[in-house]
Amino acid sequence: EVQLVESGGGLVKPGGSLRLSCAASGFTFSTAWMSWVRQAPGKGLEWVGLFTGKTDGGATDYAAPVEGRFTISRDDSQNTLHLQMNSLTTADTAVYYCATVNPDWMLFNYWGPGTLVTVSS
Amino acid sequence: EIVLTQSPGTLSLSPGERATLSCRASQSVSSHYLAWYQHKPGQAPRLLIYGASNRATGIPDRFSGSGSGTDFTLTISRLEPEDFAVYFCQQYGSSIFTFGPGTKVDIK
Repeated sequence: EVQLVESGGGLVKPGGSLRLSCAASGFTFSTAWMSWVRQAPGKGLEWVGLFTGKTDGGATDYAAPVEGRFTISRDDSQNTLHLQMNSLTTADTAVYYCATVNPDWMLFNYWGPGTLVTVSS
Repeated sequence: EIVLTQSPGTLSLSPGERATLSCRASQSVSSHYLAWYQHKPGQAPRLLIYGASNRATGIPDRFSGSGSGTDFTLTISRLEPEDFAVYFCQQYGSSIFTFGPGTKVDIK
């Protein structure tokens, strides 16, 4: 059974940093494409970024609002995905979801329950 | 960037009724890259439909998807109590994933 569990959310001041983690199990993590998706309060879902699997080059791609501030990394030995978030603003307040990506259909086939990040002074 | 809009914003129906949810794109979307998800509060979203009309593994056949170009539809033939939730469409194009704002299906 595929399981994704996010952690690391919390309250951070504007301009601060936070690192989220996603523990994965139930599938071959090293070859999986992984992504972060967020949902701000009262808003729809927003794609944050993507990390392709090892056999597909291990490349990253980011949505414009986070490019240059957020970095996705992965530790294949620990089956863990990370999201390093810097220069946070109140607009980054959201529930952050980790998800697997099906690269054939470019969709999110499994999701975690999410972790809440609140950026506030 | 392709913008997805969904209508209605809220759909109030009774169990057993048919739900028809619309997802409209600001420009043509490849059907191959159009998906639908169900999302309940506090839970992980669940993939329902991929490629506009294919049910994901384990999804009951009361859920169906259709459409092409800029207009897509998710239909729930007979609502079960567990189907009351928010439904999102999602597309991929030009290296960007975008989601619709969602349709909430609630109990009338």
